[in-house]
Formats: sequence, structure tokens, C-alpha cells
Amino acid sequence: NAGVTQTPKFQVLKTGQSMTLQCAQDMNHEYMSWYRQDPGMGLRLIHYSVGAGITDQGEVPNGYNVSRSTTEDFPLRLLSAAPSQTSVYFCASSAVPGQSDTQYFGPGTRLTVL
Amino acid sequence: EDQVTQSPEALRLQEGESSSLNCSYTVSGLRGLFWYRQDPGKGPEFLFTLYSAGEEKEKERLKATLTKKESFLHITAPKPEDSATYLCAGAPVSNYQLIWGAGTKLIIKP
Repeated sequence: NAGVTQTPKFQVLKTGQSMTLQCAQDMNHEYMSWYRQDPGMGLRLIHYSVGAGITDQGEVPNGYNVSRSTTEDFPLRLLSAAPSQTSVYFCASSAVPGQSDTQYFGPGTRLTVL
Repeated sequence: EDQVTQSPEALRLQEGESSSLNCSYTVSGLRGLFWYRQDPGKGPEFLFTLYSAGEEKEKERLKATLTKKESFLHITAPKPEDSATYLCAGAPVSNYQLIWGAGTKLIIKP
């Protein structure tokens, strides 16, 4: 049982490049989410999904896209990277919200945009 | 507006010196209050969930408590391995999105 896995661990992009951050979980969780974490700030929700085929925007969705074709995978796409997107990105999953909000986090992806 | 505020931002203690971290919240219809631990370069790790005022939970040297306005994480006789950033988050009844505090960085010196 690997829990929540994320790849890559580190990434450097140039402004305007696109890329996909990968997230997978093997706990059969319905709820998955993407956060970014910046110094001095709390975790900020980018996008979330309550099940395969269902996604919604969080607090800071601009510049990011998501899709959820399977229960296990929830990739985050940066469409055209900007320096303001330099951050650490965490993927998290939990069972059905309302029944258990305990979120399990991946190890994170540290992204630098030059 | 839902908000979670943690204090202090950083706390330095000597090994064995007990203290408390504070998490103040204004979350409409709080469904639960969560505490997580985060080590450098890693994702947050779940510690506790508290659901109602007066509830307490313990794990080793940590004890979390909840009132109607705030939660405390009490650390008794801490050790250097307790050094980490401690995050709290509130779950509003209105949606699935947790409201996160900015965290308290705890440093325990031997």
C-alpha cells in the first residue's frame, strides 16, 4: 500500500512551458485534491475532485487544469508556467467527505519557474 | 469569511520544556478541526481530528483540545524529534474544502 504518490519530486520550467504533475493513490479514495504551499501561507486549494469524472475549482485555480478519468489518478496540468507558480505542490486524498475528512498527502513536487 | 489563525509563527523550546500551540478559528458550522505535522521536504501527516468543544485527544507527548473558538496542541516534555511545523485546519459544514492555518514551526533544542 503506497498511499499517495507524486511525480516528479523536483521540476524546473521556463516561463511559458507546460507540464503535468502526476498524482496517484491506491486507497480507493473518492476525494482527491491539489494544494500549493508557499512560505508563510497556509495550504491553498487549487482544484479538487469528489469522484471519477467530477472536478471543481478551489481557491486558486487560475493557470491550472485537472481531470479525473479514474479513481486512482488526478493529474494537475500547468498550461503556461509563470514565475508566480513557483511553489511546492501537494496532492491529497480522503474517503467520502462528511464520512471522513482525514486527508492523506503525497510527498510533494517542488516546482521552480524561471 | 472562514478563517484559521495559528500562533505563534515559530516557537523555540529546550528539550523537556512543555508549551502549547494555538489555533483560533472562525469557521461556520465547524464539522471538524484537524491537526497535522509536517517535516521539512515532506507532506503533512495526520495527527488528530476533534469534533466538539471539550473533546481531547492524545498521542505520545501531544494532546489536542478544542473549545468553541480555538484549539490547542499541548506538548509535554518535548524531544528534538518533535521539531516540525504543526498545521491546523477547519472543516466547514457547507463544503468539502478545509480551511488551513499557516502553521507553527516548532524547534526543540537538545
